Amino acid sequence: DAGITQSPRHKVTETGTPVTLRCHQTENHRYMYWYRQDPGHGLRLIHYSYGVKDTDKGEVSDGYSVSRSKTEDFLLTLESATSSQTSVYFCAISESGGVAWSYQETQYFGPGTRLLVL
Amino acid sequence: DQQVKQNSPSLSVQEGRISILNCDYTNSMFDYFLWYKKYPAEGPTFLISISSIKDKNEDGRFTVFLNKSAKHLSLHIVPSQPGDSAVYFCAAMDSNYQLIWGAGTKLIIKP
Repeated sequence: DAGITQSPRHKVTETGTPVTLRCHQTENHRYMYWYRQDPGHGLRLIHYSYGVKDTDKGEVSDGYSVSRSKTEDFLLTLESATSSQTSVYFCAISESGGVAWSYQETQYFGPGTRLLVL
Repeated sequence: DQQVKQNSPSLSVQEGRISILNCDYTNSMFDYFLWYKKYPAEGPTFLISISSIKDKNEDGRFTVFLNKSAKHLSLHIVPSQPGDSAVYFCAAMDSNYQLIWGAGTKLIIKP
């Protein structure tokens, strides 16, 4: 199993409060991703990173920011949580990506963080 | 509008029989497809993939078929086992090298 941990695993918060989710990897993979999973939508990409301090937006980035100051850590921040951000959040990693994507590549996922915004 | 569709939210199959999970896509530029399996309270795990230059890829009990003209792919599991009970996601790689996911199909293997 790829060494990916997410913290916290569960969180309940109130509307308007800031929330930070952490993803930590021990694989030294260059690419890291944050997804959210909602019923009827599968997984949707929020932001991804292709190196330290290098990030880009995904399909559903509004209301989220990310930071990557070290190879092993990728943080997802909800500056002011809303009820529509209640979801399960997954972090993923891959060794290659973007135009360097290898067709032998895949993304490895963490266990997820279940976030409830009241 | 969803570009990757898994129209069956759930599927129930007898143990030992074949399970067939379907996936349709709308973007003809997609050229790489993956299937992931997900157990409750865990992240998705990679199962099998196929490039658009192929129409079939096998890995043990799992076979993925791609019909580009119909923009359709399917995952066959033979024989189905109790441990195969999970949610299966189909995903396609877009021109930005990002994965576009279907909503998933919950497979239930009955003893």
